[in-house]
Amino acid sequence: DAGVIQSPRHEVTEMGQEVTLRCKPISGHDYLFWYRQTMMRGLELLIYFNNNVPIDDSGMPEDRFSAKMPNASFSTLKIQPSEPRDSAVYFCASTRGTSGYTFGSGTRLTVV
Amino acid sequence: GENVEQHPSTLSVQEGDSAVIKCTYSDSASNYFPWYKQELGKGPQLIIDIRSNVGEKKDQRIAVTLNKTAKHFSLHITETQPEDSAVYFCAATESFGNEKLTFGTGTRLTIIP
Repeated sequence: DAGVIQSPRHEVTEMGQEVTLRCKPISGHDYLFWYRQTMMRGLELLIYFNNNVPIDDSGMPEDRFSAKMPNASFSTLKIQPSEPRDSAVYFCASTRGTSGYTFGSGTRLTVV
Repeated sequence: GENVEQHPSTLSVQEGDSAVIKCTYSDSASNYFPWYKQELGKGPQLIIDIRSNVGEKKDQRIAVTLNKTAKHFSLHITETQPEDSAVYFCAATESFGNEKLTFGTGTRLTIIP
């Protein structure tokens, strides 16, 4: 298995631009999570899905953030418009049953 | 919601010595406690976990202990090696491990050769 695949690995964008982060979970995993990691706030859960349905989006910072999971093998996290304070590493993770999370390698986002 | 505190934030130990990282949690309903290791430029990787019906679990040089009464759990690494250098995160959840892990703030472990 290739693991959880995230793209792009690095993204540099200008303030105000739209950013889309992508995630392919492990086949057969029915939970998908988006986390944000910063030095100041550590690992924060943004949103998670179960069987492609959003279950809890209370961690999404504001309306500029949105996430979708159109099918079991793909999810996106979109920021529009982006701001410098959105700069962070964004992780996607997936899991099934009682197994622990498997994280992707992350997307390092820099908004200038 | 759950709150997880982790100490220390940094830890340096001589190669071959033991390292201990401690976490406390606030929600008495939490019943699943995993530990993750994050190497530079990579995502966190699960290294060991424990459920509330068990007091201790070992996997080679790594062990985790849980005290539900005191609401704290610890990671123990024995005979440390340079490849153990990384950031370690504890986490907790009241589910079976599928939902809303709340992470500690991390411990940067450095093994001194």
